[in-house]
Amino acid sequence: EDKVVQSPLSLVVHEGDTVTLNCSYEVTNFRSLLWYKQEKKAPTFLFMLTSSGIEKKSGRLSSILDKKELFSILNITATQTGDSAIYLCAVPGAGSYQLTFGKGTKLSVIP
Amino acid sequence: DVKVTQSSRYLVKRTGEKVFLECVQDMDHENMFWYRQDPGLGLRLIYFSYDVKMKEKGDIPEGYSVSREKKERFSLILESASTNQTSMYLCATHPWTQTYEQYFGPGTRLTVT
Repeated sequence: EDKVVQSPLSLVVHEGDTVTLNCSYEVTNFRSLLWYKQEKKAPTFLFMLTSSGIEKKSGRLSSILDKKELFSILNITATQTGDSAIYLCAVPGAGSYQLTFGKGTKLSVIP
Repeated sequence: DVKVTQSSRYLVKRTGEKVFLECVQDMDHENMFWYRQDPGLGLRLIYFSYDVKMKEKGDIPEGYSVSREKKERFSLILESASTNQTSMYLCATHPWTQTYEQYFGPGTRLTVT
C-alpha cells in the first residue's frame, strides 16, 4: 500500500520567516510527486517532481526531490499571510492515475 | 483553463436521506475522482472513473455509489446519509497524459444531521 507522510502537521510562523515542509513517501513504482496548496477551497497545483536533485521554483516557493531517501521538501521564503493554507503532497499509484495524498501541513502565517 | 464545478458549496441533509453530489467538467478529461477530506485524515479517494459508465472503488467506497452517464458529469450518491458522512467532498479530473496533475472543483461541504 502506498504511503505519504507529511510533517509537521501544523506550523505557525511570522511574516518574513522561511519555512520547510516535509513529505516522505513509500510507493511501489515511483513516477512522480506532486505538491498542492489548498486555501479555503479547491487544492491548486504547485509542482510536480520526477527527477532527484532538480529544484522546481515559482517565486518564493521551491521544491526538491530526493529519490534515494524517498522524500521531498517544499520551501517558502519571506512568508506572507497569503501563504496561509494547507499544503498537500501526493504520489500516483503504480500503473494508475490515482493519487495517494498525505494528511497535509496546515501553515498559518501571522503578521 | 480547466473548469470543474460542483453543484453545491454547502449542503445540509437529514440522516437517511438520499443525497446526490454532482460534478461537471468542461475539458473533456477522461478520468474523474471523488474524494472526501476530513481534519486529521487528509484526502481519501471514494470512487473514480476512467470512462463513461466505468467506475472503480477507491479506498473508502462503503456507503457511496457513483454514476457516470456522460463524460463531463460524475455523480456521487449517498444512498442513505449518515452523520459520519459529514465531510468536505472534492471532485477532481485528469486527462490521459503523462502528467499526474489532477484539477479540483471547489468542494461541497455536506452536513448530515
